[in-house]
Amino acid sequence: AQSVAQPEDQVNVAEGNPLTVKCTYSVSGNPYLFWYVQYPNRGLQFLLKYITGDNLVKGSYGFEAEFNKSQTSFHLKKPSALVSDSALYFCAVRDLSKTGANNLFFGTGTRLTVIP
Amino acid sequence: EPEVTQTPSHQVTQMGQEVILRCVPISNHLYFYWYRQILGQKVEFLVSFYNNEISEKSEIFDDQFSVERPDGSNFTLKIRSTKLEDSAMYFCASRWAPSTDTQYFGPGTRLTVL
Repeated sequence: AQSVAQPEDQVNVAEGNPLTVKCTYSVSGNPYLFWYVQYPNRGLQFLLKYITGDNLVKGSYGFEAEFNKSQTSFHLKKPSALVSDSALYFCAVRDLSKTGANNLFFGTGTRLTVIP
Repeated sequence: EPEVTQTPSHQVTQMGQEVILRCVPISNHLYFYWYRQILGQKVEFLVSFYNNEISEKSEIFDDQFSVERPDGSNFTLKIRSTKLEDSAMYFCASRWAPSTDTQYFGPGTRLTVL
């Protein structure tokens, strides 16, 4: 079975401070991992993905994520948070061992609030 | 930058009525998806579509749901007889090819069943 856990419903961080949004995953094979962001009344915007290679993945808007196979984690990070980063963040996984249309399994989302 | 579009942005319907949600995927994409997000819950996969047929579907996607690509650009989700619990945000997504695994999502259609 494939699943993603985002242990924190809410993360608050002061503007300018580093931020981390946590994600752990469970798949039977090798994972494809994704982060999406959802702004109010908007759809899901792709931030970054890990497929293979370097464990540190850089994405849009200064975000990056670190793949850790031993901890089955894919935490989203940013060195310096902006108020405009306030949004709902979703981690998603696809199991590479499954053939087919490659649908994603999403976590429950983490609401990030950056405090001015 | 090309994007997935969806219409309408908000649909209100009475229980038992049929609704059709419309999506225009990114033009050169080959794989199409519908997901839904009930208010306050996670995004859930409904169905995927490739080469004019359903590739995979979840247990949510029962006989009340159907998908169609009626022409070269549109991708539709039909709910034949809506229930209160169908109220959700419905997202369409598209993906280019197996070698490119990013799914790009539309802005969603909020369906409210009264």
